[in-house]
Amino acid sequence: NAGVTQTPKFRILKIGQSMTLQCTQDMNHNYMYWYRQDPGMGLKLIYYSVGAGITDKGEVPNGYNVSRSTTEDFPLRLELAAPSQTSVYFCASSQDRGTEAFFGQGTRLTVV
Amino acid sequence: QKEVEQDPGPLSVPEGAIVSLNCTYSNSAFQYFMWYRQYSRKGPELLMYTYSSGNKEDGRFTAQVDKSSKYISLFIRDSQPSDSATYLCASGGGGNKLTFGTGTQLKVEL
Repeated sequence: NAGVTQTPKFRILKIGQSMTLQCTQDMNHNYMYWYRQDPGMGLKLIYYSVGAGITDKGEVPNGYNVSRSTTEDFPLRLELAAPSQTSVYFCASSQDRGTEAFFGQGTRLTVV
Repeated sequence: QKEVEQDPGPLSVPEGAIVSLNCTYSNSAFQYFMWYRQYSRKGPELLMYTYSSGNKEDGRFTAQVDKSSKYISLFIRDSQPSDSATYLCASGGGGNKLTFGTGTQLKVEL
C-alpha cells in the first residue's frame, strides 16, 4: 500500500548543480503534481500532468522541468540549482482534476 | 484575492476543547472540498473529503461546507495533543484544479 513515493528524502545541492527528484505512484491515477512548500507560504504548484506524455505549467515553473513517460512516474528536474529553490517539494496524484490528491512524504532540498 | 483563504494561526487550545478551523473560497464552481492534516516534516495527509454542501462526520472530526456563503469548516471534538499539526483546506472541481489554503497551525496543549 505504497501510494506516492518520493526520493530522495533530503538533498543538499551546490549552486549551479542539477538533480532529479523522483516520484512514483501505484494508484493508477491520471493526474500528478509537483508542489513546493515554503514556511508560511502554503503549497505552490510547479507543474502538473494529466496523463502520460502530457504536462503543463503551474504557478511557479521557472527553473524546473518535468516529463511523464508512464502513468506511474513523474520526475522533477532542476537544471541549475539556485538558493531560491531551497524548499520542501511534494509530489501528489489524483484520479481526476480537482478531486482529492494524495501526497508523498516530501523531499527537503537545500541549495548552498 | 486568493481563491482559498485561511487564517494561518497559530491556534492554541487546551486538551479536550472543541476546535473550529475555517476557510473561505471565491470560485463558485468548486465542487470538492477537503481538509488535510500535515505533521511537522511530513506530507499532507487527506483527513476529510466532501462533495458539494453539507456535513460529513468521521469520529471526532466534522467537515462542513456552506456553498451559499462559500465557507468551509472543520470541527475537532475532544481535541488531543496528537491533533497538533497544520491543517490545510482545499477546494477544486468544476473544471478547476485543486487549490489550497495556506494552512492553520494548531497546537493542543496538555
